[in-house]
Amino acid sequence: GNSVTQMEGPVTLSEEAFLTINCTYTATGYPSLFWYVQYPGEGLQLLLKATKADDKGSNKGFEATYRKETTSFHLEKGSVQVSDSAVYFCALVDNAGNMLTFGGGTRLMVKP
Amino acid sequence: ETGVTQSPTHLIKTRGQQVTLRCSSQSGHNTVSWYQQALGQGPQFIFQYYREEENGRGNFPPRFSGLQFPNYSSELNVNALELDDSALYLCASSLSSNYGYTFGSGTRLTVV
Repeated sequence: GNSVTQMEGPVTLSEEAFLTINCTYTATGYPSLFWYVQYPGEGLQLLLKATKADDKGSNKGFEATYRKETTSFHLEKGSVQVSDSAVYFCALVDNAGNMLTFGGGTRLMVKP
Repeated sequence: ETGVTQSPTHLIKTRGQQVTLRCSSQSGHNTVSWYQQALGQGPQFIFQYYREEENGRGNFPPRFSGLQFPNYSSELNVNALELDDSALYLCASSLSSNYGYTFGSGTRLTVV
């Protein structure tokens, strides 16, 4: 079956530091890949997506590139802010398109 | 446009009882799916409805059931509640899987 593996957190960074959250996946065919963010007490918000190999999704300074050769979709941001503190989930939808498969989430804590 | 709204926001039930959770899809979205998110974990897919028909189901027992109505709103019903059913239940709607899913803020269910 499909699976998504994320680096375990928490990840603690100082403001303006560089962020990388690793995500690798296992799926048949050509899945679509997503990053969602969850702030405390809230639901999930779509952060960015990529639907085919070598696509780069970007939003709010975050970006991730769909790497089929390494089955990865790592999330990066050049300069994090305190307001970026949240839990980040990597997810995929396979060709059947019937469900999102999520990773376990990575908590990011940004200190002033 | 309105987003996905879920009700109630919080709920406390006793083991063995039944519960119904409700979700209003984002305007124009014809697909709705439900996820269970246990504390500290990623969401797990329960099932998905497309135009009132179930078109995907995760690894959940039959006491988890659902409905989608002609206006694309949806219900999740859980019978014979167990303590392990305590979780955040998330509803998500979409126009298509590659477009991405819009999530509601969830219903926090506590079973005592």
